[in-house]
Amino acid sequence: DTEVTQTPKHLVMGMTNKKSLKCEQHMGHRAMYWYKQKAKKPPELMFVYSYEKLSINESVPSRFSPECPNSSLLNLHLHALQPEDSALYLCASSQGPSGSTDTQYFGPGTRLTVL
Amino acid sequence: RKEVEQDPGPFNVPEGATVAFNCTYSNSASQSFFWYRQDCRKEPKLLMSVYSSGNEDGRFTAQLNRASQYISLLIRDSKLSDSATYLCVVNRNQGGKLIFGQGTELSVKP
Repeated sequence: DTEVTQTPKHLVMGMTNKKSLKCEQHMGHRAMYWYKQKAKKPPELMFVYSYEKLSINESVPSRFSPECPNSSLLNLHLHALQPEDSALYLCASSQGPSGSTDTQYFGPGTRLTVL
Repeated sequence: RKEVEQDPGPFNVPEGATVAFNCTYSNSASQSFFWYRQDCRKEPKLLMSVYSSGNEDGRFTAQLNRASQYISLLIRDSKLSDSATYLCVVNRNQGGKLIFGQGTELSVKP
C-alpha cells in the first residue's frame, strides 16, 4: 500500500497566524519531501528529509519551518505567511535514502489559502 | 532552456484515439525517469517508471532513449478517464530532487 496521508485537506489562515501541516506514511520509507505547487505549474521542491535529518532546503523562506519528529511523520510549520504563499502543499516519500532514485509517492496535499 | 521539456498542450482527442507525449531532458547525469499523471486539484500519481528497454502497462507504453535524452509515453484506445495532466519527471540522484516538466494536458472527448 503506497499511501501518504496529509492533514488538513484545506487551510485558510491570516498573515499573522501560526499553523502546521502534517504528513504521515507507514511504508517504512526513509526519505520524505515537501513540495509547493501553484496552479498550472509543476511541483517545486522545498525540503528533503533523509533518515529524519534535513538534507535539502531549497532556499525556502524561514516563515516555513519543517520538522521530522520520527521516521513516519513530517510537519511543516507556517508563520507570518504572505498571500503569494497560497498553493497546494504536497508531501511525498520514497523508500531509500534521499540520494537514491526510488519512486516518490505523493500525498493528497493541503490546499492553503493565505488571506 | 528548461532541464525537462515536454510537448506543450493541451491535446484534445476523441475517445479511442492513440496519443503520444514526448519529453526531452538536458542533463545526461539523469538516472531515473517517470511519467506521473495529475488530475485537476489532485496530487501527482505515478503512472509508470521508464526504462531503456521500454515498458508497457495495458494501454500505456513508455520508452527511454538515453542517447537522444528522450522519453515518450504512448496511450492507446484513450478513455475519457485518461483526461489529466501528464508530467515527465527525471531524477538526477542528487538528494532525491525530482525535475518536473511543465506537464501536458490531455482532454479526451466523447
